[in-house]
Amino acid sequence: EAGVAQSPRYKIIEKRQSVAFWCNPISGHATLYWYQQILGQGPKLLIQFQNNGVVDDSQLPKDRFSAERLKGVDSTLKIQPAKLEDSAVYLCASSSIPLPASSYEQYFGPGTRLTVT
Amino acid sequence: DQQVKQNSPSLSVQEGRISILNCDYTNSMFDYFLWYKKYPAEGPTFLISISSIKDKNEDGRFTVFLNKSAKHLSLHIVPSQPGDSAVYFCAASAGGNKLVFGAGTILRVKS
Repeated sequence: EAGVAQSPRYKIIEKRQSVAFWCNPISGHATLYWYQQILGQGPKLLIQFQNNGVVDDSQLPKDRFSAERLKGVDSTLKIQPAKLEDSAVYLCASSSIPLPASSYEQYFGPGTRLTVT
Repeated sequence: DQQVKQNSPSLSVQEGRISILNCDYTNSMFDYFLWYKKYPAEGPTFLISISSIKDKNEDGRFTVFLNKSAKHLSLHIVPSQPGDSAVYFCAASAGGNKLVFGAGTILRVKS
């Protein structure tokens, strides 16, 4: 079974530029998460989808971050414009377990390391 | 507001000995706790979990202990192996809601 795929793996941009990350979850997983992991900290949930609907985006900085999940499968996370403090690893995770227990079993992708200069 | 704290940034253990990783939490609504393991350039992988109705869960070399009164959990690895060297994250959930992660502990197992 293929795992969660993410691309690109690394991205370097200048502040005020835009960037997009792509995630392909494990086939059949209805729940998809995007996390931000800043160096020295644990992953922090940005947004959670159930199929193509948003379940929780309370920690997403909506003035600059946006995310969508097309047809309930792939997802993209966009930052526009980027700030220095957005430098982090962006992790995508998916789960086959329906809410509310989906948090108990998440499979993570390798992440995208973003550096904003 | 750090609801999940891993106060030891790193731990070094000799191969074959016990590794003990600690985690404290502040939110009394947390009812499920998980440990994830992360190698460099990879995403976290699930290791072991425990429900708040239990005080111990064991899986091979890995045991998690939960002390609800102290709001403390620990992960024991016995015996430790060089392949266990990784970053270990403690995470907690309240009623299946989003996971809240600690900052992680880097474990180095020396051979």
